[in-house]
Amino acid sequence: KAGVTQTPRYLIKTRGQQVTLSCSPISGHRSVSWYQQTPGQGLQFLFEYFSETQRNKGNFPGRFSGRQFSNSRSEMNVSTLELGDSALYLCASTADGAETDTQYFGPGTRLTVL
Amino acid sequence: AQSVTQLDSHVSVSEGTPVLLRCNYSSSYSPSLFWYVQHPNKGLQLLLKYTSAATLVKGINGFEAEFKKSETSFHLTKPSAHMSDAAEYFCVIYGNKLVFGAGTILRVKS
Repeated sequence: KAGVTQTPRYLIKTRGQQVTLSCSPISGHRSVSWYQQTPGQGLQFLFEYFSETQRNKGNFPGRFSGRQFSNSRSEMNVSTLELGDSALYLCASTADGAETDTQYFGPGTRLTVL
Repeated sequence: AQSVTQLDSHVSVSEGTPVLLRCNYSSSYSPSLFWYVQHPNKGLQLLLKYTSAATLVKGINGFEAEFKKSETSFHLTKPSAHMSDAAEYFCVIYGNKLVFGAGTILRVKS
């Protein structure tokens, strides 16, 4: 099976702009989670989607949003970008059934805000 | 709330010597625990997972971890380090979401 894919891999934006990142989960996986990784804060949970519904949410401002489509692909959007939003954004997918705690990560999207 | 603490931010070993990366956890019930590895500019790769079936868990690339409830520890070990093991390692606990430790950077000297 193909792994989790994320596009684009690298992105440069300026403050005030908005950005959309995309994630395609492993085939058959219906749960997609997003994480932000920064040197200062480490890995932090953003949100989780399952069957097009947000199932869980971390402590991030409303500028961070996401959605999931019927084919389980997910997008996250960050509006009004700030310098502090520069980070590696990681997407992970999870299988149904007994392995719902095991997440498989994509390569990430490196966002730089200038 | 569940949490994990990685006791060392950096570990340096010589190639061919054992690796020990330490992790303590806090959980009010039997946890699901993981070790992930991240090579530079890469995503996270699952090394191994503990879910109470066995206290000694074997993972990929020769790594293993032992769950010790009495010590609330889940240390990661490897008998012989290889240069390709140089990376950052994360101890992770699962509640309704993954909670990551701060990470341990492993350096392998030739």
